[in-house]
Amino acid sequence: EIVLTQSPATLSLSPGERATLSCRASQSVSSYLAWYQQKPGQAPRLLIYDASNRATGISARFSGSGSGTDFTLTISSLEPEDFAVYYCQQRSNWPQMYTFGQGTKLEIK
Amino acid sequence: QVTLRESGPALVKPTQTLTLTCTFSGFSLSTSGMCVGWIRQPPGKALEWLARIDWDDDKYYSTSLKTRLTISKDTSKNQVVLTMTNMDPVDTATYYCARRYGGSYFDYWGQGTLVTVSS
Repeated sequence: EIVLTQSPATLSLSPGERATLSCRASQSVSSYLAWYQQKPGQAPRLLIYDASNRATGISARFSGSGSGTDFTLTISSLEPEDFAVYYCQQRSNWPQMYTFGQGTKLEIK
Repeated sequence: QVTLRESGPALVKPTQTLTLTCTFSGFSLSTSGMCVGWIRQPPGKALEWLARIDWDDDKYYSTSLKTRLTISKDTSKNQVVLTMTNMDPVDTATYYCARRYGGSYFDYWGQGTLVTVSS
């Protein structure tokens, strides 16, 4: 089973700053990696799919990069509504299953 | 527009079987490439994928929970049902259903339903 490790666990930044979140896979997932944002009491929201494609309606300040085992979610200039928990997720082919990282909490400094 | 909604009991006793229903609209589970999955999240913890059912009735399960899970669909009712047997307090979580269409990610999610396992 592929394990996703996110770092850091918590990231404390101020509005306007740049955020860089990391997700590392225990083995290659090619580009089958997605990023989600989750706010308290809400369902996760898809931000990025296939490592670098923004989902419909997602602001251009969100960008994703990477392939293989190392991936990055970058938020170029933090807005107040960006403070949330972020999860990465991969799909493996055999067995067909999905795993999520443990999350990175982005908090206001 | 695409919507999904989970329904089921808020409280179940240990050893009981949990049955959750996902009722969706805005898409059809008979469309090629369409899938619905279940994901859960214990309070304060990370997301955990449970199961997926495809338009062609293929089914996939978490390896760690496979023996306890059954997923099924009723295309005419736009519903997907998940059953989990032998519930334990550690299964206390918010359970989400979500759509997957043609990719390796879940693009639409229900609001989730909190299930507490307690005697």
